[in-house]
Parts: sequence; C-alpha cells; structure tokens
Amino acid sequence: DAGVIQSPRHEVTEMGQEVTLRCKPISGHNSLFWYRQTMMRGLELLIYFNNNVPIDDSGMPEDRFSAKMPNASFSTLKIQPSEPRDSAVYFCASSIRDRGTGELFFGEGSRLTVL
Amino acid sequence: EDKVVQSPLSLVVHEGDTVTLNCSYEVTNFRSLLWYKQEKKAPTFLFMLTSSGIEKKSGRLSSILDKKELFSILNITATQTGDSAVYLCAVNPNTGNQFYFGTGTSLTVIP
Repeated sequence: DAGVIQSPRHEVTEMGQEVTLRCKPISGHNSLFWYRQTMMRGLELLIYFNNNVPIDDSGMPEDRFSAKMPNASFSTLKIQPSEPRDSAVYFCASSIRDRGTGELFFGEGSRLTVL
Repeated sequence: EDKVVQSPLSLVVHEGDTVTLNCSYEVTNFRSLLWYKQEKKAPTFLFMLTSSGIEKKSGRLSSILDKKELFSILNITATQTGDSAVYLCAVNPNTGNQFYFGTGTSLTVIP
C-alpha cells in the first residue's frame, strides 16, 4: 500500500487566498484525521471522520476552515480566506476504527505558508 | 479537559548515553497510549501501550505504562545520532476515536 497520500507537499500563498489540501487515506481504513502542527502548539486535532461522517470538528479554529470527505478514499481541508497565522504543517492520518486500539498512520504533510 | 504533557521539552545527549522521556496524561476513560518518532517528515509509530506494567521493547527502545499514576516512559539505551528526532506521545480515550498528542520531546544526539 502507498500509505496516506497528501497534496500539495508545499503551498505558499498570499493572505486572503483560498487553500485546499487533499488527502487519500490508506485503503480499508475507515477513520480519517486532520492535524495541524506548529512549533508553539504541537500537533492539534482539527477534525476527524468515521466512515466519511465528521464526528468531532471542535478543533477547527474558526469558520474559515472546512473539511469534507465525499467518499472513503478522499478528503479535503479548505481554508478560505487564509491568514498568516494559518501557516503550519497540516497532516492527514488514517486508522481502522473499532479495531481495538488501532494506530494512526500519517501522511507526509502539507507545509502551508501564508504571506 | 483531556491533556497530554511531555517532558523534558528538549534534550541533548552524547552518543552512547541512555535517555528517558516522560509522558503524563489526564484523559477520560483511557484506552491506549502511543509513542511516535518524528524526524523531518511524518510521525512514525513506535509503540502502543494499553496495560500497566508490561514493557514493550524494540531494539534499544523500550516503553512502559503506569495507569495508576497516569504516565508512560520511553527509554532509549546506547543512543545513536539516528535517534535524533522529536518523540511524540498520544493518548486515545475510550470515548471516541480521537488521539490527543503532547507537544513532544526534541532529542539531539551528538557524536
């Protein structure tokens, strides 16, 4: 399996622009997670899905952030409009829910820089 | 509020030293605790702990969980420069499928 695939790997954009990050989870995994990592706050859970349904989005910073999972093999995280404080590495991870204590498998991350 | 705290924040040691990294947690209905190693890219899985007092071991790395005192330690013996990384601890509560991460311990091993 190719693992969790994220794109783009790097994104540099200007404040106010829309940013879309994409994720393909590992085939067969039914839970998907979006995390944001910064030096100051570490890894923060933004939202997670079980079977394509958003379960907990309490970590989404504000209305500028939205996430979708239209099917089991694809998810997007959108920021509109972007701000400099959104600069971070965004990780997507997947796991198998209800398989006891299934571990998280991470993608390589999308490094976002908002100027 | 669920919380995971790691210490120390950073550590610099010489090759051959032994290090102990700490992770304490406060979560509702604990299910499991996981350790990850993060170099320049994505975190990679090291250990999953669910039961107290049972040591997990992989080569020079080992980890143990104390569910009564709510902490775990990760030991690395005979450290090598390749062990330099950020080590992350995450806790999975039984109330959902989310994983709460600590801010990590940055380990630097000097030749």
